[in-house]
Amino acid sequence: DADVTQTPRNRITKTGKRIMLECSQTKGHDRMYWYRQDPGLGLRLIYYSFDVKDINKGEISDGYSVSRQAQAKFSLSLESAIPNQTALYFCATSDPGTGNTGELFFGEGSRLTVL
Amino acid sequence: GENVEQHPSTLSVQEGDSAVIKCTYSDSASNYFPWYKQELGKGPQLIIDIRSNVGEKKDQRIAVTLNKTAKHFSLHITETQPEDSAVYFCAAITHNAGNMLTFGGGTRLMVKP
Repeated sequence: DADVTQTPRNRITKTGKRIMLECSQTKGHDRMYWYRQDPGLGLRLIYYSFDVKDINKGEISDGYSVSRQAQAKFSLSLESAIPNQTALYFCATSDPGTGNTGELFFGEGSRLTVL
Repeated sequence: GENVEQHPSTLSVQEGDSAVIKCTYSDSASNYFPWYKQELGKGPQLIIDIRSNVGEKKDQRIAVTLNKTAKHFSLHITETQPEDSAVYFCAAITHNAGNMLTFGGGTRLMVKP
């Protein structure tokens, strides 16, 4: 089983619908992240959380919200989806302990299409 | 904030040839530069990284070089193989400053058999 699991892997929805993407991890890492990938734009940070009580906005948080339900679970919500939120979304974790590089461990992605 | 530019956006090479991907960064305080490889249908995975106190690092067929003065760093893959075909992302961060990684736009590498 994957260490970082995202559900759903694919979703097609309509403009205005509420969508939730879920992420769970078995790596025991405190830090979790949501990224968005668009062609030519690389990976852009939406939100991140350093522990259960910590939520921070990233570069492109408008139109998104998150919930850190437990150390292992971090969900991303689109309250009212719009077509330009069509993208590939990645959840990631890291463990920046002493001597670590803070390497990001990514899930396999959730492809969202908003019609 | 940091800005990372990556070139080229696509790169096609013949199996056995070398491939070079280049990135520039804007924040002179950046001190850690990882490279991630994303295979089709998968999430990105760290393949090599370099810190600002080192000019070059090698790991088998891949190497990364860093020029702090010019603020650019490069990924070099020698003796390319079909399994090297993937999207590669460079990134930069000011480690231990609470900053997040800033990624380049990605390079799609295609290795032709």
